[in-house]
Amino acid sequence: QQQVKQSPQSLIVQKGGISIINCAYENTAFDYFPWYQQFPGKGPALLIAIRPDVSEKKEGRFTISFNKSAKQFSLHIMDSQPGDSATYFCAATGPTGGGNKLTFGTGTQLKVEL
Amino acid sequence: DGGITQSPKYLFRKEGQNVTLSCEQNLNHDAMYWYRQDPGQGLRLIYYSQIVNDFQKGDIAEGYSVSREKKESFPLTVTSAQKNPTAFYLCASSLAPTGMYEQYFGPGTRLTVT
Repeated sequence: QQQVKQSPQSLIVQKGGISIINCAYENTAFDYFPWYQQFPGKGPALLIAIRPDVSEKKEGRFTISFNKSAKQFSLHIMDSQPGDSATYFCAATGPTGGGNKLTFGTGTQLKVEL
Repeated sequence: DGGITQSPKYLFRKEGQNVTLSCEQNLNHDAMYWYRQDPGQGLRLIYYSQIVNDFQKGDIAEGYSVSREKKESFPLTVTSAQKNPTAFYLCASSLAPTGMYEQYFGPGTRLTVT
C-alpha cells in the first residue's frame, strides 16, 4: 500500500522534445506529491510538487499532471535540454500533518541528446 | 552558507568492520533522515529523527544504528550485521517531520565494503 510505481526506468529524448515520466500509487491517504531531481554524484533536490486538489501545476518548463481517480501523476518536461539530463524521482506522502515519511519511486534516468 | 554536509564522499572498509557516516546540517531543521540508494531501487529510508534524542526505524533499519544527541548532527553507523552495505548513502533534513516539507539532501557518501 505504501508503494509508488515509476516508469520508465530510463528515457532518451531529443533536444527540444517533451519528456514524460509517470507514477502510480495505491494509498488513497497520500495527499502531497513532490518530484525530486538528482544529478550524478549529488543529492536529490526538490523540483516541483502538487496536492490532489488541483489537476495540474506548471513551473517554467516543468508540469505535473495529476489524475486522482486513476491514482496517477506525471512529470512533463517541455523543450527538454541537455542540462535536464538527470535522474528524476516521484514521491508521495500523507495525510498532511500525520508526520508521514516520503515514499519514493524507483527513479527515471533521463538523457537529453543534441 | 546553509546546507547539509556529509563526509567523507568516498569510504572504503573491510567486511566485518563497523563504519560511521557523518551528517551535519546548519539549517536549524528539526527532522533528519538517512536513505540508502541502490541502482534501480530508488531511495529507501533507513532511520529518521523528528527531534533531538529521538529517532525511528525506517523501512530498512536492520544492520544500522543512529544517534541524535545534537540538533545539527545525525551520524549513521553501518554495522557488520548489515549483509550488503555497499551503497550510496544520503542524509536529508526538513524543517518539520512531515513529508510535505521539502527535504534538503546532502551530497552523499559512497560506501564500498570488500
